[in-house]
Amino acid sequence: GAVVSQHPSRVICKSGTSVKIECRSLDFQATTMFWYRQFPKQSLMLMATSNEGSKATYEQGVEKDKFLINHASLTLSTLTVTSAHPEDSSFYICSASWTAYSNQPQHFGDGTRLSIL
Amino acid sequence: AQSVTQPDIHITVSEGASLELRCNYSYGATPYLFWYVQSPGQGLQLLLKYFSGDTLVQGIKGFEAEFKRSQSSFNLRKPSVHWSDAAEYFCAVSGGGADGLTFGKGTHLIIQP
Repeated sequence: GAVVSQHPSRVICKSGTSVKIECRSLDFQATTMFWYRQFPKQSLMLMATSNEGSKATYEQGVEKDKFLINHASLTLSTLTVTSAHPEDSSFYICSASWTAYSNQPQHFGDGTRLSIL
Repeated sequence: AQSVTQPDIHITVSEGASLELRCNYSYGATPYLFWYVQSPGQGLQLLLKYFSGDTLVQGIKGFEAEFKRSQSSFNLRKPSVHWSDAAEYFCAVSGGGADGLTFGKGTHLIIQP
């Protein structure tokens, strides 16, 4: 159980393009979804927290106009990297949690490797 | 602010030997603690978690971890490693519920034949 699907797994695109990444909870309702970024050989850094039906909460230093997050349903959150540039190249990973109970762990997708040329 | 320290960047262990990965955390209240494993280019798989109760927690794949409040530690152990355990291991802390995770920098585990 507790499967999180992330799509696409890999994206290569030109500078200036906007890229959308989807995160779906397949077998549970995710009241909260999280987006993390991981640079090569480094740890994961929380970018933002999204709750279904409300605006995302961004971590300090994360540009909300650059990284648009939508959590329109209990099973889907999307991250759109707008006007992507080479410095946005990274591994983006989502996670989902059923926060009806505080002791529910986060379940992670397999990540999206974004490469901006 | 909460933080997690994994002091060992790399650890090399012989197959069949025991393993201990260290994790120290800083958190102002009762922490929720996690260990995740990541294979190259993959997402994270939850190995085990501690929320409350018994301080020795059992996880998947034969892993266990012990919460020691006095030492602010949550070390991961396995009595006998297998070649398939080679991966990156992350310790993480949160306040639970809708809190995002704060990760350590990870420990890269290498298994020698």
